[in-house]
Amino acid sequence: QQQVKQSPQSLIVQKGGIPIINCAYENTAFDYFPWYQQFPGKGPALLIAIRPDVSEKKEGRFTISFNKSAKQFSLHIMDSQPGDSATYFCAASFQGAQKLVFGQGTRLTINP
Amino acid sequence: DTGVSQDPRHKITKRGQNVTFRCDPISEHNRLYWYRQTLGQGPEFLTYFQNEAQLEKSRLLSDRFSAERPKGSFSTLEIQRTEQGDSAMYLCASTRPGGGYNEQFFGPGTRLTVL
Repeated sequence: QQQVKQSPQSLIVQKGGIPIINCAYENTAFDYFPWYQQFPGKGPALLIAIRPDVSEKKEGRFTISFNKSAKQFSLHIMDSQPGDSATYFCAASFQGAQKLVFGQGTRLTINP
Repeated sequence: DTGVSQDPRHKITKRGQNVTFRCDPISEHNRLYWYRQTLGQGPEFLTYFQNEAQLEKSRLLSDRFSAERPKGSFSTLEIQRTEQGDSAMYLCASTRPGGGYNEQFFGPGTRLTVL
């Protein structure tokens, strides 16, 4: 019940395309869903996060869509650029726990 | 650079040796986390401190692992009698005080290779 399942494992998109990464969770106690971006040799960095009281959140070119009934959430990257090539992790947490439960990661490549 | 530093960045050791890693969080952050990340996987929670108190430990943290945060500042993670399965990236993160959910700022990690 603590797992967060992420797909796809890897994704290749042409510049300007819209990569979509999906995550699913089981534990209905989760109420905080961040996405992290990790470049080689660096630690993960927070990209955007959402609470389950909203169905969508946008920050710049990044959008999270959240479906509470399906227990799924996804990351969309608009107008993708080669600099967006990185590994993306979804995560979940719940009040009182503080720790993050991460998905397995998606290696995204944006071709010029 | 998030402001969280980890030392060393890389460590190669032989099986059976002890190793110790250090994490310096952002100065005003009172919460500190350790995660382990193996190749191709997401980080897995190991343990969490609020100030100097260790509040939670994962079952992944076997008896060979110990973490400390004296005086609520930097933290150390020690692995005794290392095994090849301990090879991983060890990540430290910190968050500022306050209720609710605060962003976890991650350090660059310490990559451990056990030969």
